Amino acid sequence: ETGVTQTPRHLVMGMTNKKSLKCEQHLGHNAMYWYKQSAKKPLELMFVYNFKEQTENNSVPSRFSPECPNSSHLFLHLHTLQPEDSALYLCASSQDLLLAGSSTDTQYFGPGTRLTVL
Amino acid sequence: GEDVEQSLFLSVREGDSSVINCTYTDSSSTYLYWYKQEPGAGLQLLTYIFSNMDMKQDQRLTVLLNKKDKHLSLRIADTQTGDSAIYFCAESPSRGGNTGKLIFGQGTTLQVKP
Repeated sequence: ETGVTQTPRHLVMGMTNKKSLKCEQHLGHNAMYWYKQSAKKPLELMFVYNFKEQTENNSVPSRFSPECPNSSHLFLHLHTLQPEDSALYLCASSQDLLLAGSSTDTQYFGPGTRLTVL
Repeated sequence: GEDVEQSLFLSVREGDSSVINCTYTDSSSTYLYWYKQEPGAGLQLLTYIFSNMDMKQDQRLTVLLNKKDKHLSLRIADTQTGDSAIYFCAESPSRGGNTGKLIFGQGTTLQVKP
């Protein structure tokens, strides 16, 4: 399989559940990202990892816990979520952290996980 | 600050041209991008423009950049029903170093009527 894959594609969970979202990239990239996409709002960057190290946490609540065991895999562990956390969660990867002068290094996105919190 | 704004909706007839507009605030962005999101799918890079250019053409797509006004547009010629999607404008601010951030607009939903 090529590109960026995400599983599951759809997830429904209760507020007391614990679940994990998985992202895998087959592009040999070094940087990976989690975004949250809510209706009629701009994409919100949540976390950035570069060479397995977290380089950015965009003030995300602790009920979202990322994990990056290697450059190809990225997880988002979820616990005690709220209904307002329902959204499409997108994973992306890039060769390296975006360079200001780079035209070819941009982010490649997975299809997303549609999360519904009841 | 960093902010990217787009109109939320555009409806055109098949065969017409579509123009999607975007304004951004961070003049440090070296590249600006257009992404397309089809229903149920992730974002797909359509095209990009370097900030020292004012126009870039790529088949049916034309990107215009007015750096003075911080205005970016995407023109799709001969719009087809398969072009129906959400289009996102994004900038990559370089102020403060390379943090890996892309700043996205809210997205413009393009509806193409047959």
